Amino acid sequence: KQEVTQIPAALSVPEGENLVLNCSFTDSAIYNLQWFRQDPGKGLTSLLLIQSSQREQTSGRLNASLDKSSGRSTLYIAASQPGDSATYLCAVPYGQNFVFGPGTRLSVLP
Amino acid sequence: GAGVSQSPRYKVAKRGQDVALRCDPISGHVSLFWYQQALGQGPEFLTYFQNEAQLDKSGLPSDRFFAERPEGSVSTLKIQRTQQEDSAVYLCASSLPPGGGANYGYTFGSGTRLTVV
Repeated sequence: KQEVTQIPAALSVPEGENLVLNCSFTDSAIYNLQWFRQDPGKGLTSLLLIQSSQREQTSGRLNASLDKSSGRSTLYIAASQPGDSATYLCAVPYGQNFVFGPGTRLSVLP
Repeated sequence: GAGVSQSPRYKVAKRGQDVALRCDPISGHVSLFWYQQALGQGPEFLTYFQNEAQLDKSGLPSDRFFAERPEGSVSTLKIQRTQQEDSAVYLCASSLPPGGGANYGYTFGSGTRLTVV
């Protein structure tokens, strides 16, 4: 059974810092991995999708990497801003569905 | 509509009460999913529809949980005899391709926060 974990559970940083969020999964036979953002009281917004054949995917200040062999992905956020404050979840496909990690709750302080 | 719409946004139920949660997917989306998200946790899969057919209900936690999508569009998740452990956010997601949700991406609704007192 696929299990997904994320560290840290919570992170608080001053504005402008670069930061790394970590995701680990137990079954490396995945097609892709997605990073989502969840704002309080809102649904999930897809940030980046990395196919299994890729090692990195970039969107603006966000960069996600994938190492299938070690069962790890990282989300790098450059020059963090208060608007980046949210919960970040990683997820991998499992059949038709996703298995989600518990998320990292990020606070960027002005 | 432009997105996935869920109603109500908030629901408070007394223990033992039945509740019904509604999901309006994006028009034309074939696949529809329900997830349950407990406080501080990631969403967990409940059930999956392809059009009106419920193809996977392996995630439903008990026989008190029932979902339907009779005409292949709007879906309802019903919880009978609610208990405190049912308190969670219930998320609905839809995807255009049949059977391709996790590989092609979903659109999530904002969820219904259920509190059982």
